Amino acid sequence: QSALTQPASVSGSPGQSITISCTGTSSDVGVYNYVSWYQQLPGKAPKLVISDVSSRPSGVSNRFSGSKSGNTASLTISGLQAEDEADYYCSSYTISTAWVFGGGTKLTVL
Amino acid sequence: EVQLVESGGGLVQPGGSLRLSCADSGFIFSSLWMHWVRQLPGKGLAWVSCINIDGSVTRYADSVKGRFTISRDNAKNTLYLQMNSLGAEDTAVYFCVRASSMAFDPWGQGTLVTVSS
Repeated sequence: QSALTQPASVSGSPGQSITISCTGTSSDVGVYNYVSWYQQLPGKAPKLVISDVSSRPSGVSNRFSGSKSGNTASLTISGLQAEDEADYYCSSYTISTAWVFGGGTKLTVL
Repeated sequence: EVQLVESGGGLVQPGGSLRLSCADSGFIFSSLWMHWVRQLPGKGLAWVSCINIDGSVTRYADSVKGRFTISRDNAKNTLYLQMNSLGAEDTAVYFCVRASSMAFDPWGQGTLVTVSS
């Protein structure tokens, strides 16, 4: 159950778009369309922003979008806003009937 | 609004035991898989365990297998995590989370478990 690989940090200016990658293996990201993304504001519990690779839950801004190619999933945030500054985590179901998370990416809005 | 409220965290000595509880305020607790996810201090998230709707199926991360036991009481809308043989590596905030398809949503506010002498 090795962790998925995410960049430690990304940054962007207000109004720009950023993309966070999440690299797994053929035992998790590559084999299932069960990749999800979570936003964690400082001192708060994580919040689901993308499920099943690209589905956006009700109430989540349409500035958040997800995709996948092979063993790598991506979260894109367009029209960056100051309120988007947070830690972002990806997660995937695995063939071991378990779930694995990425190490997290700190998004800084410049 | 659904609320998940964890309790039972605290300071425990290495080798000790602790039982976490999670009260679900919703009306569909008995029809949902449930999970425990933990977050080491200042670090990332790690899936711990899950349980199916009637408690007949449970799964565990390798790091806790044989030491932790997940269970539920649908009559009380409550999820549990019995943690035995605790070590420093188990120090973390433990979140109770509903399953939403194969994702985690929503999350409780978490309860801190500190393993230290």
